[in-house]
Amino acid sequence: EVQLLESGGGSVQPGGSLRLSCAASEFTFSNYGMSWVRQAPGKGLEWVSGISGSGGATYYADSVKGRFTISRDNSMNTVYLQMNTLRAEDTAVYYCARYDYPRAFEYWGQGTLVTVSS
Amino acid sequence: EIVMTQSPATLSVSPGERATLSCRASQSVSSNLAWYQRKPGQAPRLLIYGASTRATGIPARFSGSGSGTEFTLTISGLQSEDFAVYYCQQYDNWPPYTFGQGTKLEIK
Repeated sequence: EVQLLESGGGSVQPGGSLRLSCAASEFTFSNYGMSWVRQAPGKGLEWVSGISGSGGATYYADSVKGRFTISRDNSMNTVYLQMNTLRAEDTAVYYCARYDYPRAFEYWGQGTLVTVSS
Repeated sequence: EIVMTQSPATLSVSPGERATLSCRASQSVSSNLAWYQRKPGQAPRLLIYGASTRATGIPARFSGSGSGTEFTLTISGLQSEDFAVYYCQQYDNWPPYTFGQGTKLEIK
């Protein structure tokens, strides 16, 4: 069964950095685009960033463009989200999700909590 | 950016009855529309993709319809485990993929 396991969340002060990881298993990782989706407390789901299967194309929401960087290591079956210049409004549970047209985001990890607070 | 609007924000329905949730897109998304179920402490669960196709393992009481800008998720014979928050999401025109704000389905 497809598994996605996020790690790297934690508490950080405004302006700080964190790197999230998502380890994938039980599927051919390089065949699929991957995304990060977050949910802030009391808010809905927000797509944050995506990357193609090869890693050659990356995409970002305007709210994180220039601050976050998505990358992947297909030899390690892992996708990363480097988050810099963090703000209070970045506080959320971050999920990685596998994208596959037309099934959209069929598989999700359990999420990792990022708290940005002084 | 395509804006997805869900209605109502909260829907109160009795177990065994039918729930109808709506989702509207600010411009056509063809049939590139998915529905997700979200329960506290759990990852989102894909219910419907392609506007009307049930994902693997999703019970037949869940059905989706619509195309273009108007979509509906219908849950027939509500069971206790169905009370949750439901999100629609378009994947026709991206980035960004956009979600609706959610409909909370609660027990009446």
